[in-house]
Amino acid sequence: DAGVTQSPTHLIKTRGQHVTLRCSPISGHKSVSWYQQVLGQGPQFIFQYYEKEERGRGNFPDRFSARQFPNYSSELNVNALLLGDSALYLCASSPGQIPYEQYFGPGTRLTVT
Amino acid sequence: DAKTTQPPSMDCAEGRAANLPCNHSTISGNEYVYWYRQIHSQGPQYIIHGLKNNETNEMASLIITEDRKSSTLILPHATLRDTAVYYCIVRLPNSGYALNFGKGTSLLVTP
Repeated sequence: DAGVTQSPTHLIKTRGQHVTLRCSPISGHKSVSWYQQVLGQGPQFIFQYYEKEERGRGNFPDRFSARQFPNYSSELNVNALLLGDSALYLCASSPGQIPYEQYFGPGTRLTVT
Repeated sequence: DAKTTQPPSMDCAEGRAANLPCNHSTISGNEYVYWYRQIHSQGPQYIIHGLKNNETNEMASLIITEDRKSSTLILPHATLRDTAVYYCIVRLPNSGYALNFGKGTSLLVTP
């Protein structure tokens, strides 16, 4: 079975631009979460979606938004990019409401210049 | 979620057991202990979780002290591929999906 997939793998953007990152969960998983990992730090929670509804939001500005589609795939959007948004963006999926384990994708490396 | 404390780094010889400690002195009665690891340039990988009893799976063993204020993740026969950052996370299972990773322990397995 395929794991969590993310696209693109790498991305370079300029300050002020907008970016869309995509995630496909493991087949049958209904929950998707997004994390940001800057160099040298552990991943930081951004959003969680379950059954297409936002169920959790971390301490990130409104420039960050996300949505989940009927097929449970998800998009993370970041507007007005800042240099500090440069990071590895990770998507994780989980099979159900009890999140004993989350399965992470390989991430999208975003560089803002 | 309860706060956890882990050593920043550890070394282990290949083939030996790697014992990674985690302190969580403020853990509440219903909070679980989860372990994840992150190999360089990859997403985190779930390893194991437990509440009170010791747990074992194909990857590792989790030993939780009787007072639940600390735990140890054991990799019984470490290999070079176990070199990674290991995160100990304490949380309620129904507190949402957010995982607070902290800084973890960087484990280096040497030949």
